[in-house]
Amino acid sequence: SQQGEEDPQALSIQEGENATMNCSYKTSINNLQWYRQNSGRGLVHLILIRSNEREKHSGRLRVTLDTSKKSSSLLITASRAADTASYFCATDESEKLVFGKGMKLTVNP
Amino acid sequence: DAGVTQSPTHLIKTRGQQVTLRCSPKSGHDTVSWYQQALGQGPQFIFQYYEEEERQRGNFPDRFSGHQFPNYSSELNVNALLLGDSALYLCASSLAGTGAPYTEAFFGQGTRLTVV
Repeated sequence: SQQGEEDPQALSIQEGENATMNCSYKTSINNLQWYRQNSGRGLVHLILIRSNEREKHSGRLRVTLDTSKKSSSLLITASRAADTASYFCATDESEKLVFGKGMKLTVNP
Repeated sequence: DAGVTQSPTHLIKTRGQQVTLRCSPKSGHDTVSWYQQALGQGPQFIFQYYEEEERQRGNFPDRFSGHQFPNYSSELNVNALLLGDSALYLCASSLAGTGAPYTEAFFGQGTRLTVV
């Protein structure tokens, strides 16, 4: 089963613009994580936000979490062509990750 | 630190055959989880190994089995391959037993399995 659902499913922007991805989930969580995947290869961990946190920053990434709405958003600022990838949110269920279907971001030079 | 390594990177098998995929976790990690990712989908949890035991399992048939060795490396075995088993198989390692909420998992580059 897939818990997190990313929205939109695809996004195309110009280099330098900001990209926002949203994730909704169904059950209560301990934490929510965002991953990036390039060209169908391995997943790269981007950021983890715990259920008692509302916002977290890491470089050009900003993640928010609203547990009352069961939603999270990932903001990538000043996007680069190298940010072109698929992005997944994942929630933990007893130390296993439950992923959404992912969102494909294309950053055009 | 080599991170999580998986082998082989690509594999082509015939329907009905058996396959073994291998994973070495990140140094210092003791837990290995396996995921199956079909094209255009998110990864699906197969099972997780800790202290050489299967700790939990996703909704996959018994044709999928695994093993964890004393050095924490792991194998995923799939018997009686079906065309639908074609996917990217990902291994993730983490450190368990800390009592804290689940910490980040590190993924390998995956094994692309094609069943023909």
